[in-house]
Amino acid sequence: GAVVSQHPSWVICKSGTSVKIECRSLDFQATTMFWYRQFPKQSLMLMATSNEGSKATYEQGVEKDKFLINHASLTLSTLTVTSAHPEDSSFYICSARDLQGRTGVPYEQYFGPGTRLTVT
Amino acid sequence: QQQVKQSPQSLIVQKGGISIINCAYENTAFDYFPWYQQFPGKGPALLIAIRPDVSEKKEGRFTISFNKSAKQFSLHIMDSQPGDSATYFCAASRGAGNMLTFGGGTRLMVKP
Repeated sequence: GAVVSQHPSWVICKSGTSVKIECRSLDFQATTMFWYRQFPKQSLMLMATSNEGSKATYEQGVEKDKFLINHASLTLSTLTVTSAHPEDSSFYICSARDLQGRTGVPYEQYFGPGTRLTVT
Repeated sequence: QQQVKQSPQSLIVQKGGISIINCAYENTAFDYFPWYQQFPGKGPALLIAIRPDVSEKKEGRFTISFNKSAKQFSLHIMDSQPGDSATYFCAASRGAGNMLTFGGGTRLMVKP
């Protein structure tokens, strides 16, 4: 199956600082990546859709100036949590869409392993 | 507005039993219905997916049943094993690869 990586896998930062999370598709090109947030024992909530070469599309209620998304290449999208606060502590998960079906299933989404963010 | 409702929230099954998780959706524009398995601290992994043109799809011990008229679909795990203990999410989208709407999740525990 397709492999999507995230870095870092976990991070602890102080309130007010910024944190960058990387999402990479390792064996396929992804023109579209999605960013989700998951609180403990809850479902995944879509934050934004990241498209290579264009601005991200944010879901209602997600602050675009706080959660900066950059999809710089066909294999990399980054999420930067700016001026992080304790309420931003969560599990952030990305997924990448296999547009060409290299994995055998065209357009299928594959999820990364997630990044645990703790803001102190 | 929760567009995909999943039940039960938690499920305990004996080893060798059948685990059944149900989902119902509201948006008739949805045409792609995947199921994901998630272990603690990990990202979701695709288990099996179905489109509305078939009523059932089976892959190994996992089967999806789909009822288009009722707007419901379910996951059946046959011969459940302790290693199946995880959280399962149903999801729906308008086309594969598009924005997914997730159900609330079901925490499955398979007792040895």
